[in-house]
Amino acid sequence: NAGVTQTPKFQVLKTGQSMTLQCAQDMNHEYMSWYRQDPGMGLRLIHYSVGAGITDQGEVPNGYNVSRSTTEDFPLRLLSAAPSQTSVYFCASRRTFRSSYEQYFGPGTRLTVT
Amino acid sequence: AQTVTQSQPEMSVQEAETVTLSCTYDTSESDYYLFWYKQPPSRQMILVIRQEAYKQQNATENRFSVNFQKAAKSFSLKISDSQLGDAAMYFCAYRIRGETSGSRLTFGEGTQLTVNP
Repeated sequence: NAGVTQTPKFQVLKTGQSMTLQCAQDMNHEYMSWYRQDPGMGLRLIHYSVGAGITDQGEVPNGYNVSRSTTEDFPLRLLSAAPSQTSVYFCASRRTFRSSYEQYFGPGTRLTVT
Repeated sequence: AQTVTQSQPEMSVQEAETVTLSCTYDTSESDYYLFWYKQPPSRQMILVIRQEAYKQQNATENRFSVNFQKAAKSFSLKISDSQLGDAAMYFCAYRIRGETSGSRLTFGEGTQLTVNP
């Protein structure tokens, strides 16, 4: 198993550009989520999905879109990048959203918006 | 809303000694999970230890153990026989058990641990 994979590892965008951060998992996990990590603030939930075709907002959803057309993939779209979106982004997955099972994190994407 | 607070932005310990990282949380729920995650310079988030709130016994994983005080809403991590590889950012996190609205992990701000040789 590759676990949770994210691409790209690093990205630089100009203000106003759009892009998609890719996330995939090969563990057949139902639950997937996106977090952003900013200095001194821990990780904060952006969006999550409890299964294919089902997504919902987390704590900081503004400026981001998600979709879940398959169990494996959960891309995060930045519609019009802003400097405030400079952060490290983590994708995570877990077997089910009700369980006590461990949440697996991807390696992260460092995004800089200039 | 649930909050998690780590009041120690930085800690240091000598190799082979013991260090305790503090975490407090605020919740009105009675059934939840608490976690400690380690984030080394590689950025990978690694689960160190997990505690179910309904269990009175403190969780232990090799050199890592917790002191879970439910009434005080305190969840500290003790690292015994510290090793150079323990140097990392440590995050305390909380999750409601069985939550239907996203089952989010709520993280503290993190504690940067330095291990001195």
